[in-house]
Amino acid sequence: GAVVSQHPSWVICKSGTSVKIECRSLDFQATTMFWYRQFPKQSLMLMATSNEGSKATYEQGVEKDKFLINHASLTLSTLTVTSAHPEDSSFYICSASSPGRNRNNEQFFGPGTRLTVL
Amino acid sequence: QKEVEQNSGPLSVPEGAIASLNCTYSDRGSQSFFWYRQYSGKSPELIMFIYSNGDKEDGRFTAQLNKASQYVSLLIRDSQPSDSATYLCAVIPTGGFKTIFGAGTRLFVKA
Repeated sequence: GAVVSQHPSWVICKSGTSVKIECRSLDFQATTMFWYRQFPKQSLMLMATSNEGSKATYEQGVEKDKFLINHASLTLSTLTVTSAHPEDSSFYICSASSPGRNRNNEQFFGPGTRLTVL
Repeated sequence: QKEVEQNSGPLSVPEGAIASLNCTYSDRGSQSFFWYRQYSGKSPELIMFIYSNGDKEDGRFTAQLNKASQYVSLLIRDSQPSDSATYLCAVIPTGGFKTIFGAGTRLFVKA
């Protein structure tokens, strides 16, 4: 199967600091990675789509200068929450897809990172 | 109109019963359909995908797709308490690679 890891699994930080979350595809090359945010008892909200070697595409309402996404290789994408505030506290989940690997384009999710901003 | 609609539930069924989860989608040309399961505090995990009209069975799970009615469903036979989770319906619309998720249906299986 396709395995996607995230690090860290949880993080607590002070307001105003920046936090970096890593997403790795462990056994396949992910041409596309997605970043989602999920608040308690709410559905997944897509934040941005990143393709290796190009700029991320952000969804409407997501501040690209606040949520910096880098997809430097086919196995690694990072999300940096800059100047985090308590309202950024959420469950951040990445997923990876590789259209060449499977024709159904299913996404494989990482385990998620729970961010708490004090 | 939301692109992918699901009844939020909760849907409650007794252990051993069949749980039926439903989903409708708006893009008639959509080609790929997925069901994910998400336990509380965890990330989604893929249960099944389907892309042809009809039924697809995998163990206790059966996915049903009706493109004419723009309807996809998931049946869980012999429901177990461990099946209690939120089930997300997901669709890849025409010409796209971005997956559109429904809001999810919460399922409770009572022991």
